[in-house]
Amino acid sequence: AQSVTQPDIHITVSEGASLELRCNYSYGATPYLFWYVQSPGQGLQLLLKYFSGDTLVQGIKGFEAEFKRSQSSFNLRKPSVHWSDAAEYFCAVVPMKTSYDKVIFGPGTSLSVIP
Amino acid sequence: EAQVTQNPRYLITVTGKKLTVTCSQNMNHEYMSWYRQDPGLGLRQIYYSMNVEVTDKGDVPEGYKVSRKEKRNFPLILESPSPNQTSLYFCASSVSSYNEQFFGPGTRLTVL
Repeated sequence: AQSVTQPDIHITVSEGASLELRCNYSYGATPYLFWYVQSPGQGLQLLLKYFSGDTLVQGIKGFEAEFKRSQSSFNLRKPSVHWSDAAEYFCAVVPMKTSYDKVIFGPGTSLSVIP
Repeated sequence: EAQVTQNPRYLITVTGKKLTVTCSQNMNHEYMSWYRQDPGLGLRQIYYSMNVEVTDKGDVPEGYKVSRKEKRNFPLILESPSPNQTSLYFCASSVSSYNEQFFGPGTRLTVL
């Protein structure tokens, strides 16, 4: 079945440590890819997106993500995590080949940051 | 200020009592969407609209209705709410499905 998966339900990292959040999709063609962040009690905010071109994309708040076609992955990274990064992170996909208008979100990864 | 507004923010109701959650955006966006957020399931798209009078089903449309009579408004209607529709609902708008979506603050709905 076509889907977006985020294998890690919850991750805890120490402040200053590096971070990688995983996202995999199972759509045949390269979809449009997004990462959103939801801070506690807030709506969602776009961190970055990938449509085409350079497979390493830079986003806001020091985040970056790398698209790997061979692995159907779009993992989010940050070299040094700050306490304010504690939030829920969602990967999202517009399938394109099967639908240009639907947006499919993954189940989310909750990030805790230890001081 | 560019924003998406939703009302009400919190609602407790009973099974079968029709309700409407309003959504309005002031960015002249063509694409609008409704999502529900449930623990462990992320956001699931209920309905979306590509433009005025153009709507389509998302992944979980059962039990919901929408309309898009004006570009700025996209209300979500629950004709006969049931307890399994207890959830956190988000409205979002964007230029298109593959542009950045701007989210409203959310509506927490409890159906008893």
